[in-house]
Amino acid sequence: DGGITQSPKYLFRKEGQNVTLSCEQNLNHDAMYWYRQDPGQGLRLIYYSQIVNDFQKGDIAEGYSVSREKKESFPLTVTSAQKNPTAFYLCASRQRDGQTYGYTFGSGTRLTVV
Amino acid sequence: AQSVTQPDIHITVSEGASLELRCNYSYGATPYLFWYVQSPGQGLQLLLKYFSGDTLVQGIKGFEAEFKRSQSSFNLRKPSVHWSDAAEYFCAVGGGTGNQFYFGTGTSLTVIP
Repeated sequence: DGGITQSPKYLFRKEGQNVTLSCEQNLNHDAMYWYRQDPGQGLRLIYYSQIVNDFQKGDIAEGYSVSREKKESFPLTVTSAQKNPTAFYLCASRQRDGQTYGYTFGSGTRLTVV
Repeated sequence: AQSVTQPDIHITVSEGASLELRCNYSYGATPYLFWYVQSPGQGLQLLLKYFSGDTLVQGIKGFEAEFKRSQSSFNLRKPSVHWSDAAEYFCAVGGGTGNQFYFGTGTSLTVIP
C-alpha cells in the first residue's frame, strides 16, 4: 500500500546538535510539506516543495533546512539555530495539481531536546 | 489573509449524543475545505472534503459537513458519537495548484460513557 513513512518516531536532541527527520513517500506525489505541531497552536508550515530540487519557506522556516533530491524523499534538518525544537513534526504530500484530494500525512516524529 | 478558526478548544459529549464542531474560514479565493482527525501521537487522517457541488458532504466514520458560503463556515457533524471518535479534529482550507493549506488550531473531543 502507498503511504508516507516518517522516521524515527521519537528523537532526542542535545543542545547544539543538528538532527535530521526522514520523510519518504511512495504515492508518486509531486508536492511535499513539513509541519510543526505544538499544543494549542495547530499545524504551522515549515517548508514545502512542489518539485524536485525546489523548495520554499513556510511560516516558521528559521532554524530548519530541507532538501528535495528525489521525488520520494523530503528530509528535514533541525539545526542548532532552532531555539525551541521540541514539538511533533508531520510530513505530508499531495499531487501538485490535486488540491481537491487534500494531504496524505505521515505518522509523525516527536522531537525532544534533552 | 487566509485563516481558519475553530472556536471550541475542547468539547465533551456523551456516547450516543450528536456532535457539531465549528469551523469558520477566511479565504480570498474559492475555498477547498477539509476536516481531518488525529489520534494521539499519530498523523492526520482525512475525514471529508468540499470543493464544489452539493454543500452537504459525507465522509468516513459517519461524519458529514455543511458548507455555508454566506457564513464562511464548514461545520462538522455526527448524529451519534461513539467512544472511538475521541480525538483531535482539524479544519483546513486551501485552494489552487500547489498552494498550502491553512489549519485551525483544532478541537479536542472527549466522549464520556
